[in-house]
Amino acid sequence: ETGVTQSPTHLIKTRGQQVTLRCSSQSGHNTVSWYQQALGQGPQFIFQYYREEENGRGNFPPRFSGLQFPNYSSELNVNALELDDSALYLCASSLGGRQGYTFGSGTRLTVV
Amino acid sequence: GENVEQHPSTLSVQEGDSAVIKCTYSDSASNYFPWYKQELGKRPQLIIDIRSNVGEKKDQRIAVTLNKTAKHFSLHITETQPEDSAVYFCAASMGNSGGSNYKLTFGKGTLLTVNP
Repeated sequence: ETGVTQSPTHLIKTRGQQVTLRCSSQSGHNTVSWYQQALGQGPQFIFQYYREEENGRGNFPPRFSGLQFPNYSSELNVNALELDDSALYLCASSLGGRQGYTFGSGTRLTVV
Repeated sequence: GENVEQHPSTLSVQEGDSAVIKCTYSDSASNYFPWYKQELGKRPQLIIDIRSNVGEKKDQRIAVTLNKTAKHFSLHITETQPEDSAVYFCAASMGNSGGSNYKLTFGKGTLLTVNP
């Protein structure tokens, strides 16, 4: 059984640029959620995908968008990067039902 | 929406002592309460969770209690060890619907330091 893997692990971007982060869900998991974790804070929910459809969104602007693919892997895209977007981006997958979430190690994004 | 408050923000104990971290939630519809441990630079790892149909759950040195009426839940760690040092997050969720889980709302975290 493989866990949740994210790529890249670290990334530095310039303000105004666009970024794509990737996540491979744990084997058999059909739900993927993305969270933003600022330094010293708890993770904040961005959005969730279930069977390739977005089925929940947190308080993030439309420049945060995502996709889920038929193999349940997922992408998080952020356009027009701002300095405040600097954070650890965590992907979590689950099977639904009574199963909990498994988190990946995250992508550390720095916007300069 | 759901709001989760977590206290204390930092906690320092001596090895062998107990540690207690408390959380309150606002949405009475929440019914799933996991606790995550996050070591520096690593992923959050689920250490224990509780659903609203039980009041207490224990796993070796770790226990969680839930008071639905008061809308608070607590993490108890007994016989603490230096390797328990980490940031602990509580979270709340409305559980699941059909084949999908609802989002997690996290507290701000507690930095636990266990001194040898």
